[in-house]
Amino acid sequence: AAGVIQSPRHLIKEKRETATLKCYPIPRHDTVYWYQQGPGQDPQFLISFYEKMQSDKGSIPDRFSAQQFSDYHSELNMSSLELGDSALYFCASSRQAGGLGELFFGEGSRLTVL
Amino acid sequence: AQKITQTQPGMFVQEKEAVTLDCTYDTSDPSYGLFWYKQPSSGEMIFLIYQGSYDQQNATEGRYSLNFQKARKSANLVISASQLGDSAMYFCAMRDGANNLFFGTGTRLTVIP
Repeated sequence: AAGVIQSPRHLIKEKRETATLKCYPIPRHDTVYWYQQGPGQDPQFLISFYEKMQSDKGSIPDRFSAQQFSDYHSELNMSSLELGDSALYFCASSRQAGGLGELFFGEGSRLTVL
Repeated sequence: AQKITQTQPGMFVQEKEAVTLDCTYDTSDPSYGLFWYKQPSSGEMIFLIYQGSYDQQNATEGRYSLNFQKARKSANLVISASQLGDSAMYFCAMRDGANNLFFGTGTRLTVIP
């Protein structure tokens, strides 16, 4: 079965550079979530989209932005990168039309800021 | 306020034995969902099991079962017949009626041969 696809899996950037992470949800899933997991920490919610509209916002820095496109894939854009942005970034998807159902995560994109 | 509490930072279990990982949650929403995820050392977040707040029966998925006690607001994960490959970090999570997803701090399970 198709899963949540994230790209790139690994990314190395320098301070003050820009990075873009992509997420392709499971087909027919209409909701996408972004999470940030620092070393040794639990995942922290950044932002979510439902039907291409931002549905909720968590602890996402102002330097970050995200959107969901017409094909339901989502991109997380991170600018002016800082060392503290080094983390594993997860995307998750679910199908809201079915109610509070199962939530599946991608394998994550590991960002390292040097 | 902490929404999800996992009080066991680390757990050990003998191979082939069963183990229970604790999780309590806090919400006033009548509709919510509870999840357990496994995160091996490779880092990916693997969905294990889901329990809806209105589900009458405890969820089961193979060797995983969720001991859902609504009145106590607990959603413990039971892994039966532990295998070496079960060694990983386990996260309990809750999605509330507003579609927010809250994670616990995780429990590191180590299966001993």
